[in-house]
Amino acid sequence: EAQVTQNPRYLITVTGKKLTVTCSQNMNHEYMSWYRQDPGLGLRQIYYSMNVEVTDKGDVPEGYKVSRKEKRNFPLILESPSPNQTSLYFCASKQGVLNEKLFFGSGTQLSVL
Amino acid sequence: KNEVEQSPQNLTAQEGEFITINCSYSVGISALHWLQQHPGGGIVSLFMLSSGKKKHGRLIATINIQEKHSSLHITASHPRDSAVYICAVRNNTDKLIFGTGTRLQVFP
Repeated sequence: EAQVTQNPRYLITVTGKKLTVTCSQNMNHEYMSWYRQDPGLGLRQIYYSMNVEVTDKGDVPEGYKVSRKEKRNFPLILESPSPNQTSLYFCASKQGVLNEKLFFGSGTQLSVL
Repeated sequence: KNEVEQSPQNLTAQEGEFITINCSYSVGISALHWLQQHPGGGIVSLFMLSSGKKKHGRLIATINIQEKHSSLHITASHPRDSAVYICAVRNNTDKLIFGTGTRLQVFP
């Protein structure tokens, strides 16, 4: 089944403890991206990647890192999480850079205490 | 002012009613997406439009490029349609800009 898999689904951590949220897609998609969703603000893009080894900042990249070493994986790294990074995170992918349907992961609810 | 505005923010309906959700945007776009987010949080892409109209089952999406406006219609609404519907536009620099969503509740 074609899907974007995110893990974990829920995560509670403390300020400053490094964490990684994994994202994997099995559709051989070129484009992958990370979003955070906060009440009243909608979805905002954190980082995106148009292909392997190519990543770029979105609207809210501060405090986040990404890597794209393989086409299928696009992990989101929080080196030193802070409470303002408490949010619902989504990974998404699509075939290319043209206008195409986005496929979303099931989301990761992160709480930073 | 947000570049993508949705209305209404909240909508309740009785089963069977015809529903319209609106999206207006203020930037030049190459495409517009309608997304559905269920209470569990998962997001599904419903439509991608660059012109005209698309239909899938009971869902219809239209876009008027000149007026910078799109509508999502649900015919014969059902409680399982209860979700948040999100409009997103892809601007001319390929950036995706999201609206804040319309929360729909359909009661039996």
